[in-house]
Amino acid sequence: AQKITQTQPGMFVQEKEAVTLDCTYDTSDQSYGLFWYKQPSSGEMIFLIYQGSYDEQNATEGRYSLNFQKARKSANLVISASQLGDSAMYFCAMREPDPYYGQNFVFGPGTRLSVLP
Amino acid sequence: DSGVTQTPKHLITATGQRVTLRCSPRSGDLSVYWYQQSLDQGLQFLIQYYNGEERAKGNILERFSAQQFPDLHSELNLSSLELGDSALYFCASSGESERRLNGYTFGSGTRLTVV
Repeated sequence: AQKITQTQPGMFVQEKEAVTLDCTYDTSDQSYGLFWYKQPSSGEMIFLIYQGSYDEQNATEGRYSLNFQKARKSANLVISASQLGDSAMYFCAMREPDPYYGQNFVFGPGTRLSVLP
Repeated sequence: DSGVTQTPKHLITATGQRVTLRCSPRSGDLSVYWYQQSLDQGLQFLIQYYNGEERAKGNILERFSAQQFPDLHSELNLSSLELGDSALYFCASSGESERRLNGYTFGSGTRLTVV
């Protein structure tokens, strides 16, 4: 079963507008962490934002914010004031405890964001 | 610079050959993870090491192996290479605390092309 679902294979947004990238996750643990990574065409994976399952407030990092809805098991990434340089692949990921291995880290399939001038 | 160093950046080799990819984790991180990213498979977790010991195993082929050395650097060995092994191989490292700045930091990757 998919642990991380990103239902939008591709998204377009006009420059300077906000965009929301969807992510839903599946876990039975109470303690877990959610991450978003950006992968531009150059290939490197860039950490954007982190949300802990016990955090009561949504995480924010500059133009990035995470809309965390725990009951719905969703962790959507909101990018405000999109820039051309935001065009990239975006991955949602989750780290959860693993009873045998200590932790388990899984990635979603990604969403390709294209920012239009 | 993320602090995680991967070498080489690019590698071209022939089918049937064996290659070794190297990763130096960020200073202070004990965990090293290897991922394979191919066009049709997304990001696939291969294996994790923690302080020299294997901690978790994902979709790693028997032709692949890895180890983490006492200085915490890690090597991923790929043998009997096939065309389908062509991919971007990432190493990532993490510290004990989830709240460490980058939580889980990736290297820039090694692009392997098997011809």
